[in-house]
Amino acid sequence: EVQLVESGGGLVKPGGSLRLSCVASGFTFSNYNMNWVRQAPGKGLEWVSSVTRSSLYIYYADSVKGRFTISRDDAKNSLYLQMDSLRAEDTAVYYCVPGFWDSWGQGTLVAVSS
Amino acid sequence: DIQMTQSPSSLSASVGDRVTIACRASQPIHNFLNWYQQKPGKAPKLLIYTASTLQSEAPSRFAGSGSGTDFTLTISSLQPEDFATYYCQQSYGPPYTFGQGTNLEIK
Repeated sequence: EVQLVESGGGLVKPGGSLRLSCVASGFTFSNYNMNWVRQAPGKGLEWVSSVTRSSLYIYYADSVKGRFTISRDDAKNSLYLQMDSLRAEDTAVYYCVPGFWDSWGQGTLVAVSS
Repeated sequence: DIQMTQSPSSLSASVGDRVTIACRASQPIHNFLNWYQQKPGKAPKLLIYTASTLQSEAPSRFAGSGSGTDFTLTISSLQPEDFATYYCQQSYGPPYTFGQGTNLEIK
């Protein structure tokens, strides 16, 4: 069974930083692209970032480019999202999703507020 | 970037009704189209991938069709557990854009 467990969310002030983590199990993590998707309260789904196998290619949404950094550690079956210069509009539940898209974690809530 | 436009944004229907939700891509995406169902407070669930392939745990009353730029999700006979929000998403290439969602409510 595929499991994805996100952590690292919390309340942070504008301009602050957070690092999200996702530990995956139940599939061969290194074989798949990985994604972060977020959902602001009461809003729709927004793709945030992707990292391909072996970290060969990395992509970001324009809304986070230059502020967020995605990375992966295949030895630890883990995906990360370093979020810097956080803004109020980054407030959302952040989900870790493998590239086959059919398994989602429970998400971790990031709240940016003074 | 590829824009995904869903219609309608909300829909009221009754148990037993047949409903259709449309999704249009701003450029051709072949069949790289996913459909999700999301209930309040829960993560999205993949229903259909590659436009028409039913995910293994999804009920057979859900069906997807389309190719290129125009796609549809059809629920053949609504059940009480189907009232939720539905999203399309293009998996053709990053950014992997989502539609704005269709909120399916009980009439």
